[in-house]
Amino acid sequence: DIQMTQSPSSLSASVGDRVTITCRASQSISNYLNWYQQKPGKAPKVLIYAASSLQSGVPSRFSGSGSGTDFTLTISSLQPEDFATYYCQQTYSTPPEPTFGGGTKVEIK
Amino acid sequence: EVQLVESGGALVRRGGSLRLSCAASGFTFINAWMSWVRQAPGKGLEWVGRIKGKIDGGTTDYAAPVKGRFTISRDDSKNTLFLQLNSLKTEDTAVYYCARVGLVPRTTLSFLDYWGQGALVTVSS
Repeated sequence: DIQMTQSPSSLSASVGDRVTITCRASQSISNYLNWYQQKPGKAPKVLIYAASSLQSGVPSRFSGSGSGTDFTLTISSLQPEDFATYYCQQTYSTPPEPTFGGGTKVEIK
Repeated sequence: EVQLVESGGALVRRGGSLRLSCAASGFTFINAWMSWVRQAPGKGLEWVGRIKGKIDGGTTDYAAPVKGRFTISRDDSKNTLFLQLNSLKTEDTAVYYCARVGLVPRTTLSFLDYWGQGALVTVSS
């Protein structure tokens, strides 16, 4: 099984801050890495796929980078609507068993 | 507009069975790959399984904790996805989401591009 470890598990930030969340895979997963945002009581929403591709309709303040085992999600200027929990997901494993990271909760400072 | 609407969530006894449905609209369902993902109360996301589209053989894959107990199927004539849950355990208590698998052309990359609102399954002891 490929394990995904996110850090930090939570963070406090202010509107306008630059925020970086990291995700580490237990083995190399190339660029088979997606990022999702989930708000309380709502379904997740994809932000980034294939490590760095911005999903259509997602604001450009979100960006992703990395390859192999280490990945980052960056929010360049945090907005009020960005307070949520963020999950990474790998889709590299065969047979498929896409695993999610434990999540990073972004809270208002 | 793509819409996924789950139904069938309920309170069920340990060892019991339940079938969830996911009604899809707004896209060509027959060739779409579809997944189920669950989220236990206050916990993170867990992939349950997926089914490929008809053109790709309609085969299924499952996560280890549910393999042999859960079955994913589809009725392409009704644009509906199903999740049959058998031999339920208390640890299966969760919100179950259906999601469409977005495939990146000319690669094996994929992601979950549309999600339903979720259906709550509660397994009592």
